[in-house]
Amino acid sequence: QITLRESGPTLVKPTQTLTLTCTFSGFSLTTAGVGVAWVRQPPGKALEWLALIYWDDDKLYSPSLKSRLTINKDTSKNQVVLTMTNMDPLDTATYFCAHRSLIVTATGFDSWGRGTLVTVSS
Amino acid sequence: DIVMTQSPLSLPVIPGEPASISCRSTQSLLHRSGFFHLDWYLQKPGQSPQLLIFWASHRASGVPDRFNGSGSGTDFTLKISRVEAEDVGVYYCMQALESITFGPGTRLEIK
Repeated sequence: QITLRESGPTLVKPTQTLTLTCTFSGFSLTTAGVGVAWVRQPPGKALEWLALIYWDDDKLYSPSLKSRLTINKDTSKNQVVLTMTNMDPLDTATYFCAHRSLIVTATGFDSWGRGTLVTVSS
Repeated sequence: DIVMTQSPLSLPVIPGEPASISCRSTQSLLHRSGFFHLDWYLQKPGQSPQLLIFWASHRASGVPDRFNGSGSGTDFTLKISRVEAEDVGVYYCMQALESITFGPGTRLEIK
């Protein structure tokens, strides 16, 4: 059974850097075809994809946020870390991490964490 | 950038009746593999999104067969043959051909 859990600060100040950790179980990020993504959702609004990292360390970023995002993995800890710089109140959202297997469900994110709400306010 | 649109944005449905959601992209989602890189998700109230359909028409594991995806090129449709109360939530389409973008969502509610 695949599980993912997001963790990190619930409140950050404007201009600060946000660091979120996705801790997962039930799969390995060393397995071919596996990836972990970050997706966010402002309150009452739609989903927005942020970043994706694959088993081979290939990294993809949202073009509109690429300059502010860094995604990395620690396979020994089963974790994926997302950093977002220069936080703004508009970045207030629930941040989800999600699993993808190119072999099983192709482009689909078939398992999601519960999400963590991050509020940006001074 | 590929932009996704959905219609309707709000969909009231009587239980037992069918429902249909349209999703359009600004360019074809056909991958060189021959598959369309279009997924459908349902986000039930207070929950994380769940994958319903991948590759435009492939049902994910555990998804009831009343959910069906179809379409090609830039036009895709999610159909629910008989809506049940548990189907309430927001439905999103997502393209994964170039980068990843979600549609604005369609809120399905029970009449």
